[in-house]
Amino acid sequence: NAGVTQTPKFQVLKTGQSMTLQCAQDMNHNSMYWYRQDPGMGLRLIYYSASEGTTDKGEVPNGYNVSRLNKREFSLRLESAAPSQTSVYFCASSDTSWPVYNEQFFGPGTRLTVL
Amino acid sequence: ELKVEQNPLFLSMQEGKNYTIYCNYSTTSDRLYWYRQDPGKSLESLFVLLSNGAVKQEGRLMASLDTKARLSTLHITAAVHDLSATYFCAVDSNNDMRFGAGTRLTVKP
Repeated sequence: NAGVTQTPKFQVLKTGQSMTLQCAQDMNHNSMYWYRQDPGMGLRLIYYSASEGTTDKGEVPNGYNVSRLNKREFSLRLESAAPSQTSVYFCASSDTSWPVYNEQFFGPGTRLTVL
Repeated sequence: ELKVEQNPLFLSMQEGKNYTIYCNYSTTSDRLYWYRQDPGKSLESLFVLLSNGAVKQEGRLMASLDTKARLSTLHITAAVHDLSATYFCAVDSNNDMRFGAGTRLTVKP
């Protein structure tokens, strides 16, 4: 039972390049989330998927797109990377049912640097 | 817009002392979560608080929720070095999760 896995762990991009961050969970959770973490700012929600086939914008969606490929997988795409997207990206999943509702389980993170 | 504020942002404690971290939020919600993050690591869940007056305890940590005041507290009793970490509260508003900025706790001998 691997929980939430993310690939890659580290990535360096040049401005304007594109890439996709992959996330998968094996806990049969309905909901999946993408966050970015910047120093001193906690985690900010980029996009979430409450169930397979649906996606919604979070607090900071600009510059990103997502795909909920199936129940297990939720990918985050940067179409044209910018230095402001340098951050640590976390994927999370949750059950959203009683009794734990939206208790989230996090992946190990991807450290992305955009030069 | 949902806002979540934690204070203090930095906390340096002596071992054996008690202290409280506060989490205020701006909208009605019955769902509040506390997470811990060690340096360079991911987040792990500590507490899930789902109703007014909810209180959860695990070891030296106790969390409570007052939905009327829109306030949650994380109380640390007799701190030990192993509790050194960053603690985040998070509020769920219809699946839109908002996190506080985090409280970086350092426990000194």
